[in-house]
Amino acid sequence: EPEVTQTPSHQVTQMGQEVILRCVPISNHLYFYWYRQILGQKVEFLVSFYNNEISEKSEIFDDQFSVERPDGSNFTLKIRSTKLEDSAMYFCARGPTSGHRTQYFGPGTRLLVL
Amino acid sequence: ELKVEQNPLFLSMQEGKNYTIYCNYSTTSDRLYWYRQDPGKSLESLFVLLSNGAVKQEGRLMASLDTKARLSTLHITAAVHDLSATYFCAVDRVAAGNKLTFGGGTRVLVKP
Repeated sequence: EPEVTQTPSHQVTQMGQEVILRCVPISNHLYFYWYRQILGQKVEFLVSFYNNEISEKSEIFDDQFSVERPDGSNFTLKIRSTKLEDSAMYFCARGPTSGHRTQYFGPGTRLLVL
Repeated sequence: ELKVEQNPLFLSMQEGKNYTIYCNYSTTSDRLYWYRQDPGKSLESLFVLLSNGAVKQEGRLMASLDTKARLSTLHITAAVHDLSATYFCAVDRVAAGNKLTFGGGTRVLVKP
């Protein structure tokens, strides 16, 4: 089954610092998504990325957030100036394919902003 | 705006008994998903339901979809401790780029 890996697994940062979260798909896909989950709450959509461009973003995905696919494989989510409320689990997911109709989620990065 | 609601939010189960989790969504959607999440872990895909009347079963879990009622159910048969987890339903629409809109989750605790 195709997989997605994420690094780092945990990150602690000071408020106002920049963080970069990475997602590495095992195989090539066109559709990727970032979601976040604040502790004990539901999973929220942040942004979708199709064919190396943002296809949709949520209200949460403000100017502090950006996504890139700098080398054609790794897929990054950058938070420019972290806030306390950015503390959450961040999941990367690869989109459904003809053979696998579900979105498969990576293991997540737990971000703690102090 | 698409909204997804699950109930109950918390379900305390006795081993061996049957239970149902409900998932309602507010507008027409293309697919309905069920995921399982263990504490501190990622989301594990359980089922994808594509059409009205769809029913899928895996072990003690069975999911069904009624698109007219905009309702999906996840039925647990003869609960066992290993099923303790949080269960999320989610829906998507192809026209919306397949982004998933999640319900609030149902935390399941199976007691011996």
